[in-house]
Amino acid sequence: QQQVKQSPQSLIVQKGGISIINCAYENTAFDYFPWYQQFPGKGPALLIAIRPDVSEKKEGRFTISFNKSAKQFSLHIMDSQPGDSATYFCAGFNTNAGKSTFGDGTTLTVKP
Amino acid sequence: GAVVSQHPSWVICKSGTSVKIECRSLDFQATTMFWYRQFPKQSLMLMATSNEGSKATYEQGVEKDKFLINHASLTLSTLTVTSAHPEDSSFYICSAPLAVRYQETQYFGPGTRLLVL
Repeated sequence: QQQVKQSPQSLIVQKGGISIINCAYENTAFDYFPWYQQFPGKGPALLIAIRPDVSEKKEGRFTISFNKSAKQFSLHIMDSQPGDSATYFCAGFNTNAGKSTFGDGTTLTVKP
Repeated sequence: GAVVSQHPSWVICKSGTSVKIECRSLDFQATTMFWYRQFPKQSLMLMATSNEGSKATYEQGVEKDKFLINHASLTLSTLTVTSAHPEDSSFYICSAPLAVRYQETQYFGPGTRLLVL
């Protein structure tokens, strides 16, 4: 049972465009939803995260939108830049268990 | 920010040898650490949870005798791949949870690339 479904698998966006990655979860035990950015050959780095009692969180060009009733959340990258080209993972974090369940990842390519 | 380090960053070994990978939390203590395996263009697969002072908890399908985990201190966990074979070649990543502004989340190490010849 895949507890976090992520789409699309890959995404190509022009520089300056908006990149949107969507995730849906099933496990209601998740109480925190981080997004990670991973460059080739590197470990994932925490990018932005949201709690389920908040519908939106913005940090610079990165925004998370959260819909608790639909069990869906998304990452929006505004003014996408070539340096944003990476793989992005959404996750559901269970604080009691202290660990995350990850989506399958989205490979983002931002073309100059 | 929280820093988790791994050593070595890459290792090449012969089939049948054992390889030890270290994971350290550099500026915080971690009673729990996690070990993941990642294949190219795939997501992170949790292998085991490392618990300081007690036995590790392995995910279903992961051989505990193959992947030995030791969490000897609050800042160090080690993963030993015993009698490594080419199919063990992969990217191994550790992580540790840390509470920042009352919210706990996971911080990852840079990963260790293992190639078994």
